[in-house]
Amino acid sequence: VMTQSPLSLPVTLGQPASISCRSSEELVHSNGNTYLHWFQQRPGQSPRRLIYKVSNRDSGVPDRFSGSGSGTDFTLKINRVEAEDVGVYYCMQGTHFPWTFGQGTKVEIK
Amino acid sequence: QVQLVESGGGVVQPGRSLRVSCVASGSTFSTYGMHWVRLPPGKGLEWLAVISNDGSEKYYADSVRGRFTISRDNSKNTVYLQLNSLRTEDTAMYYCARIDCGPDCPFDDWGQGTLVIVSS
Repeated sequence: VMTQSPLSLPVTLGQPASISCRSSEELVHSNGNTYLHWFQQRPGQSPRRLIYKVSNRDSGVPDRFSGSGSGTDFTLKINRVEAEDVGVYYCMQGTHFPWTFGQGTKVEIK
Repeated sequence: QVQLVESGGGVVQPGRSLRVSCVASGSTFSTYGMHWVRLPPGKGLEWLAVISNDGSEKYYADSVRGRFTISRDNSKNTVYLQLNSLRTEDTAMYYCARIDCGPDCPFDDWGQGTLVIVSS
């Protein structure tokens, strides 16, 4: 089970934001990789991955997004929130089948 | 990057069946696994199923195992999701996705989704 907090995150433009994701089990795969990813879904759009394997930014993702963590506790940080960051953010574990998403964190501008 | 196009959604009565499809562009479809993910209205993303590149391995979410079946036809660059014994709670936008990882995670491709509404 993947548990995110907070579920709602009102943020002032230009301010930082942080989302926590906790897994009920260790996410280190037998191959040594930790398949914890972060996805963004903007209103009316398909999901898009921002961060893969805890801390690697996908191509084209602004460097204001960063991921960290290990074991069972992970964090997504947005350095300075911009208007285009509004949407729902999900952590997802791809280490154990079935893969599972967190409940989602809705980021909105104050 | 591949283009993924879903189809087959619609309105269906509870207890009935539906098959949704996803066609991928390009000539390398048989080399990668494919996933289905759904987004129910007002709720969060739910991972549903994955099929390996050759169709030999399949895994399902607990919520759909035994009712949904994933399959693929590599000659048609198509992955399918057969939805049986549909319930109102299966109402959702259904996405296919290429999001497999190995030592690295080179893929993040999603379709635009196909809407399934289960209602009497």
